[in-house]
Amino acid sequence: GAGVSQSPRYKVAKRGQDVALRCDPISGHVSLFWYQQALGQGPEFLTYFQNEAQLDKSGLPSDRFFAERPEGSVSTLKIQRTQQEDSAVYLCASSFGGLGVGQPQHFGDGTRLSIL
Amino acid sequence: QQPVQSPQAVILREGEDAVINCSSSKALYSVHWYRQKHGEAPVFLMILLKGGEQKGHDKISASFNEKKQQSSLYLTASQLSYSGTYFCGTVEDDKIIFGKGTRLHILP
Repeated sequence: GAGVSQSPRYKVAKRGQDVALRCDPISGHVSLFWYQQALGQGPEFLTYFQNEAQLDKSGLPSDRFFAERPEGSVSTLKIQRTQQEDSAVYLCASSFGGLGVGQPQHFGDGTRLSIL
Repeated sequence: QQPVQSPQAVILREGEDAVINCSSSKALYSVHWYRQKHGEAPVFLMILLKGGEQKGHDKISASFNEKKQQSSLYLTASQLSYSGTYFCGTVEDDKIIFGKGTRLHILP
């Protein structure tokens, strides 16, 4: 596709359930980022992949959060035993190269996660 | 360390100018600017790299002063389409640290 695609667009889950959020980056983009955006706040970094390698997961809030990108393209963010504080918009972004070379990030529309 | 944006919110009439500031307590090497409309993805505006350069994109331009550890975004002769939340982001290692955003509302 032309842009970064995320699915589902909206997800409602009960507290304690597991959820999986999908990101399909722009074809050929090496770098992939996941962010969490609370209402009225800026995106907060969660994790970063370069191809299939997860190079930084320092932003993941707890061990309930897990991300993978097994073939270096599509990525999945999984949240286990969801809590109400997990409710947020989860944004995925991709870039052709790394941030060190001044590459812009292209964002998807996000998945709005609501935990009841 | 999250960059600090000011002002938090701006209301303008169409055709007026605005300046949005972004300050960091850490040394800056590059600054990213994005605009996000409600319910949509953040959209890339521009990147400024170390060197104090100024960049332009239509009637939106930005400056970067690494000595003062700040960047400013200038919107000239604002249009209705400029409404949204503007985020600056500073690059630390391999990630962008975004500010809390500046909400811009343009009135006709």
